[in-house]
Amino acid sequence: GAGVSQSPSNKVTEKGKDVELRCDPISGHTALYWYRQSLGQGLEFLIYFQGNSAPDKSGLPSDRFSAERTGGSVSTLTIQRTQQEDSAVYLCASSLVPPGGTQYFGPGTRLLVL
Amino acid sequence: GNSVTQMEGPVTLSEEAFLTINCTYTATGYPSLFWYVQYPGEGLQLLLKATKADDKGSNKGFEATYRKETTSFHLEKGSVQVSDSAVYFCALSVTQGGSEKLVFGKGMKLTVNP
Repeated sequence: GAGVSQSPSNKVTEKGKDVELRCDPISGHTALYWYRQSLGQGLEFLIYFQGNSAPDKSGLPSDRFSAERTGGSVSTLTIQRTQQEDSAVYLCASSLVPPGGTQYFGPGTRLLVL
Repeated sequence: GNSVTQMEGPVTLSEEAFLTINCTYTATGYPSLFWYVQYPGEGLQLLLKATKADDKGSNKGFEATYRKETTSFHLEKGSVQVSDSAVYFCALSVTQGGSEKLVFGKGMKLTVNP
């Protein structure tokens, strides 16, 4: 079946612009996660959704970052006023049976802020 | 807090060599443990997992045993192949206050030469 998909696959933007990253989880997966992978910080957790609610936003690095999930499916991660340090690969994952269930990852969105 | 420490490499081996990648963790409670693999140009894939003490996860010739007494989850393979060249991440699942996330080690790049 279809896996987790993310779009765009690559995004180049100028410092100060806003960007939106999209994640389509595996159908039926109630849990959705965003992570960030960068050279300096490795893989970092950003936010967790159970259904449409986000009980844990603790990983969002600043108030420029926000995320929403609608209809228990698609999620959008928005970064406002992008900075060069936001350059990274943003990964989305979904899980059928949290907690402790397997998280299935999408291919990621590579963001470059110039 | 919750953390994962793993060998960072990079490591280069010859085909058919024995592989061990050490992973130790610090966690409250009893986390599930995972090894994820990232092949060149691809997304994160689950390699194997273990959900409780003394469980052994195995896949594609790789094995890891959940050792609660030593808080370890070392990855082993008896005979590596060129196709095993990838970055390997050890991770634990943290469940707290209705939230869930993966905490990753920094990853280890493995290159296998023919």
